[in-house]
Amino acid sequence: DAMVIQNPRYQVTQFGKPVTLSCSQTLNHNVMYWYQQKSSQAPKLLFHYYDKDFNNEADTPDNFQSRRPNTSFCFLDIRSPGLGDAAMYLCATSRVRGFNEQFFGPGTRLTVL
Amino acid sequence: DAKTTQPNSMESNEEEPVHLPCNHSTISGTDYIHWYRQLPSQGPEYVIHGLTSNVNNRMASLAIAEDRKSSTLILHRATLRDAAVYYCILRGNAGNMLTFGGGTRLMVKP
Repeated sequence: DAMVIQNPRYQVTQFGKPVTLSCSQTLNHNVMYWYQQKSSQAPKLLFHYYDKDFNNEADTPDNFQSRRPNTSFCFLDIRSPGLGDAAMYLCATSRVRGFNEQFFGPGTRLTVL
Repeated sequence: DAKTTQPNSMESNEEEPVHLPCNHSTISGTDYIHWYRQLPSQGPEYVIHGLTSNVNNRMASLAIAEDRKSSTLILHRATLRDAAVYYCILRGNAGNMLTFGGGTRLMVKP
C-alpha cells in the first residue's frame, strides 16, 4: 500500500544533542510537510517542501531545519533539542500544492532527557 | 486564516448517529471546509471536505449551512473505532496549508 512512513516511531535524545527524524513516502507526492504536536495540543505546521522549494513558517524556531534529498525522503533536523521540543513530529504529503487531501504518517514521538 | 470554533468534547453511544458542529462565522467565499480526525497514537487522517453543497462519502457526511457560517460533520453510525479528535479546518483554494484548531474529542460508549 502507498503510504507515509516515519522512522523511528520513538526517539530519545539528550538535551542539546542533535537529532534527525526521517520520513519517506511511496505516494510520489510533490509536497511534504513537517508538523509538531505537543501533548494535548493540535498539530502545528513547521515547514513544507514543494518539490525542492523550502517554505518555512514564520514562527518556526531556527533550531529546526529540514532536508529533502529526493522526492521520497524528507528529514527533520533539530540542532540543539531543548526540553520544550519534546513532542510528536508528524510528516505529511500532498500530491500538488493546493490539492485537497494531506496524507499523514504515524508520527515520531521525541523525548528529550 | 478564518478561525473555527468546536466543542471541546462530545459523547456518543455506539451505533447511533453523531453530529459534530463547527462554527466559522468569518469564513470567506473561497474557503473550503475540511474535516480531519486523529485516532489515538496516530497521525491525522482526512475525512471530508466541501465548499457550499452538502457532501457524502464512505466515512461521513458534511452538512453546510446556507450562509456557510457553520457546518456539521455527521457520522451515521458511530463505532468504537470512531473515537478520535475531529478537526474542522478552513482552507483557501489556492493554499495548501492546514491550520489545526482545538478540535472535538469524540468519545463513543459501547
